[in-house]
Amino acid sequence: AQSVSQHNHHVILSEAASLELGCNYSYGGTVNLFWYVQYPGQHLQLLLKYFSGDPLVKGIKGFEAEFIKSKFSFNLRKPSVQWSDTAEYFCAAASGGSYIPTFGRGTSLIVHP
Amino acid sequence: DAGVIQSPRHEVTEMGQEVTLRCKPISGHDYLFWYRQTMMRGLELLIYFNNNVPIDDSGMPEDRFSAKMPNASFSTLKIQPSEPRDSAVYFCASVRGVGGYTFGSGTRLTVV
Repeated sequence: AQSVSQHNHHVILSEAASLELGCNYSYGGTVNLFWYVQYPGQHLQLLLKYFSGDPLVKGIKGFEAEFIKSKFSFNLRKPSVQWSDTAEYFCAAASGGSYIPTFGRGTSLIVHP
Repeated sequence: DAGVIQSPRHEVTEMGQEVTLRCKPISGHDYLFWYRQTMMRGLELLIYFNNNVPIDDSGMPEDRFSAKMPNASFSTLKIQPSEPRDSAVYFCASVRGVGGYTFGSGTRLTVV
């Protein structure tokens, strides 16, 4: 079965620290990849997505993610986090042409001011 | 664009009562999805529609759950009868073609 793994369940950082959240997927073919963010008490919002082309994808709010096909990974990064980045982050993957992504269990990020 | 609109935002009901959750997708989006989010199980896909037609309802937990999409601008998720274990946040999402979803604000359901 297709799956998406987020290895870090909880991450705690201080402001200005660098962030990297891991995401691995199990699909063997073409894949569409997404990162969503859910701020406390709110709905999921799309941070960035990868369909094809440059494997380094830049999203909103200074986030970026790198698709590494050989590692089946799509890690999310931000060079300097802010307190307002405190949220739950979800990685999702869909096989190419599918409309139905599989979501990871999410990573809870807490940023201390 | 008003985004995906869900109502109500919060619902508290007694066990055994019928609950109806509503969703208005973004105009022009041809796929609509219902998800349930809990701490224990994370984000679960319940059912999705394409052009108002239910495509896959294998995620619907029991016959107590049903969903309809009578037209392109409206969908409902009904639970009858409701049980405490149905307590969760229910999200509706829509998309046009292959792309990132737009989620609604969710309905927080509490069954007591």
